[in-house]
Amino acid sequence: SQKIEQNSEALNIQEGKTATLTCNYTNYSPAYLQWYRQDPGRGPVFLLLIRENEKEKRKERLKVTFDTTLKQSLFHITASQPADSATYLCALPENNNAGNMLTFGGGTRLMVKP
Amino acid sequence: NAGVTQTPKFQVLKTGQSMTLQCAQDMNHEYMSWYRQDPGMGLRLIHYSVGAGITDQGEVPNGYNVSRSTTEDFPLRLLSAAPSQTSVYFCASSYADRTRGYTFGSGTRLTVV
Repeated sequence: SQKIEQNSEALNIQEGKTATLTCNYTNYSPAYLQWYRQDPGRGPVFLLLIRENEKEKRKERLKVTFDTTLKQSLFHITASQPADSATYLCALPENNNAGNMLTFGGGTRLMVKP
Repeated sequence: NAGVTQTPKFQVLKTGQSMTLQCAQDMNHEYMSWYRQDPGMGLRLIHYSVGAGITDQGEVPNGYNVSRSTTEDFPLRLLSAAPSQTSVYFCASSYADRTRGYTFGSGTRLTVV
């Protein structure tokens, strides 16, 4: 089965800087990869999806890249704000089939300091 | 639009007790699933359903049962609670096209003593 690695250490950055979070996977390259945000005591919230044939996807201050050669996705938040502080999870289909259930990484906690 | 509703939000059980965690969605999503989230382990899939009357096991199904008699509801039953089942449980639903993302409930924090 797929193994997903996200940095378990918290990422601390200053307000206004760009935050970059990493998601690495170990086996097959999935048809797509998703990113979620989770606040303490809440369920994850879907943010973005990027497909295997897309190198980059943007949504407002968010940017996601997908490198199937490196087996890696990067999640960027530009002009970060304290309100961006949360845990960010990446997820991808369990098998090399878009119809299968999602497997989630352990998440990386982002702390944006004013 | 309520989304995914989970009840209860908190529960304390004694070892050996049984209980049902409720999950309901009002978005007419075909797929529903249960995850547990533990520190350092991330979200792990317990059971899932691709439609009414159809369920299947995920990564960690032992000690749990599910049923899907309607599109809206997907209850999770703990048969005989054990301390190892202390966790936060999330129900999630999605359209059959999973690329549209999952909608999660707010979670149930379960403690087994």
